[in-house]
Amino acid sequence: IAGITQAPTSQILAAGRRMTLRCTQDMRHNAMYWYRQDLGLGLRLIHYSNTAGTTGKGEVPDGYSVSRANTDDFPLTLASAVPSQTSVYFCASSDREGNQPQHFGDGTRLSIL
Amino acid sequence: GESVGLHLPTLSVQEGDNSIINCAYSNSASDYFIWYKQESGKGPQFIIDIRSNMDKRQGQRVTVLLNKTVKHLSLQIAATQPGDSAVYFCAENPHDAGNMLTFGGGTRLMVKP
Repeated sequence: IAGITQAPTSQILAAGRRMTLRCTQDMRHNAMYWYRQDLGLGLRLIHYSNTAGTTGKGEVPDGYSVSRANTDDFPLTLASAVPSQTSVYFCASSDREGNQPQHFGDGTRLSIL
Repeated sequence: GESVGLHLPTLSVQEGDNSIINCAYSNSASDYFIWYKQESGKGPQFIIDIRSNMDKRQGQRVTVLLNKTVKHLSLQIAATQPGDSAVYFCAENPHDAGNMLTFGGGTRLMVKP
């Protein structure tokens, strides 16, 4: 079934450690996104990529980095995790940016201790 | 349908009744809107979208209404079923920096059998 795969599904991480969240889509979508979802705050955009080889900063990019080496993969890296990065992280993709529905993975639940 | 602090607004309906979930948006430049459904432990699932050149769009058991005059969006679910229990939230494209979707906080729909 076509869609977005995120890994791991959950992780407990010590503060200061480096972590990469993986995201793969098989829909050949051009645009991909990373969001964090916190109780009461809704989905907030961390980084995005409109096409392979390009990335951009969203609303809350600090402490996170991304790369887009190919169309299918869009990993999110926390260089040195802090407790405020405890959240649920969702990857999404759309055919292109703008007025298009975004399709989401099932998330990675990350706890930083 | 906006969140208030840590508490999501909740709509409780009887199975078989119709449900109406509301969303207010603030940016008059927004020209594209989406409704998502999110079940516990899952990623947001696309339900239906509408562009600003329309004021109504229907899907299977769902209807979205757009009132641009008062900047209001609603999702109507006909013959609500227990499987409709979830958090519903709207998203808009305000065409500000990055041409990205902005997500609302959500409304929890509870269906009583």
